[in-house]
Amino acid sequence: EVQLVESGGGVVRPGGSLRLSCAASGFSFGDYGMTWVRQAPGKGLEWVSTINWNGVSTGYTDSVKGRFTISRDNAKHSLYLQMDSLRVEDTAFYFCARVGYTNYGMDVWGQGTTVTVSS
Amino acid sequence: QSVLTQPPSMSAAPGQKVTISCSGSSSNIGNNYVSWYQHLPGTAPKLLIYENDKRPSRIPDRFSGSKSGTSATLGITGLQTGDEADYYCGTWDSSLNVVMFGGGTKLTVL
Repeated sequence: EVQLVESGGGVVRPGGSLRLSCAASGFSFGDYGMTWVRQAPGKGLEWVSTINWNGVSTGYTDSVKGRFTISRDNAKHSLYLQMDSLRVEDTAFYFCARVGYTNYGMDVWGQGTTVTVSS
Repeated sequence: QSVLTQPPSMSAAPGQKVTISCSGSSSNIGNNYVSWYQHLPGTAPKLLIYENDKRPSRIPDRFSGSKSGTSATLGITGLQTGDEADYYCGTWDSSLNVVMFGGGTKLTVL
């Protein structure tokens, strides 16, 4: 079964850090680009970051540039999001997703993990 | 506010048809493929349409997609109560070099 499972969410103070992980199974992980997408409470889906199949190319939404770092370990079939200098507005449900189609069509999604930034 | 514009909400009766629009510009929808997603809060979003009008094999043909110029449309026929969800369009913006989603459309089947 093709599956993505996120972990690493939690409650953190403003300015703190968290590292999200996304474990992939059931497909050749190293063949696909991957993304992180979040949904803040009461808001819509927001793209956060993308990494290509070999980790050489990455992209970020403006609000997280310089604070978040996306990475991957193809040998471990895992995707990561290092989140530093967290802000209250980073509070959201974070999903990892596989880029399966042209122009970032995301065909496999995880169930998500919750990040709460609060003092 | 999203660069891709969707109606915030729509409603229709069971069995009816609904079309959800997604309006953008030449840098996103006009020159890139559009995807559509169904999302029930607390669950994983589901890809309904990719590359403007293609359906993954597990998606019933009640769902369809189209694109014309800088706008895209998701069509749902034979509405079911289980179709109540939020629907999002998504694409790449070649000028901003970002992935973008529409603001989402909350569909009510009543």
